[in-house]
Amino acid sequence: DTGVSQNPRHKITKRGQNVTFRCDPISEHNRLYWYRQTLGQGPEFLTYFQNEAQLEKSRLLSDRFSAERPKGSFSTLEIQRTEQGDSAMYLCASSLLSGSEAFFGQGTRLTVV
Amino acid sequence: GQQLNQSPQSMFIQEGEDVSMNCTSSSIFNTWLWYKQDPGEGPVLLIALYKAGELTSNGRLTAQFGITRKDSFLNISASIPSDVGIYFCAGQLLLTSYDKVIFGPGTSLSVIP
Repeated sequence: DTGVSQNPRHKITKRGQNVTFRCDPISEHNRLYWYRQTLGQGPEFLTYFQNEAQLEKSRLLSDRFSAERPKGSFSTLEIQRTEQGDSAMYLCASSLLSGSEAFFGQGTRLTVV
Repeated sequence: GQQLNQSPQSMFIQEGEDVSMNCTSSSIFNTWLWYKQDPGEGPVLLIALYKAGELTSNGRLTAQFGITRKDSFLNISASIPSDVGIYFCAGQLLLTSYDKVIFGPGTSLSVIP
């Protein structure tokens, strides 16, 4: 399968712990996006990369959140000192270039207890 | 900021019926996208629209890019049980380095066999 892959699919963590999610985009795609989705809402933009450069970060992305894409391929999203409000589905998407359709992964469901 | 509205919020229809749902925006978009999301999965792209007035079909699905560039609709003909899910419209504004996808809140579709 050459689609967008996200790991893990589910993560349960205690409040205050750090978590890291991984996204492997479609191989030739140079754009990679992170979104967060809460129940009953559409996905909300967090940040995106073109190759290894992080071009934009939403104000939703607090200081506890950091994303990297060191080699322009896979990306990681880390949340430090998790809070219950961080519980959500974290979605990754990739696209070939500016203006082309974004394809989504299956998401990582985070539950902070 | 940019905001999308979708109507209706939810629909319950009989199998075989046609479905119509709308999306409106406070801002102009260059591209309109329609996604379907099943529970616990990421959104899957159904149709992409690139020009004002464009009408595009994908099987039983038909979508149109509004002339004002601030709206779009999606029609599903002869609904079947597997059409159940949440349908998201999304707008994409193509600038030189800024083309994140903005999602609406979704329309939940239930199909009664």
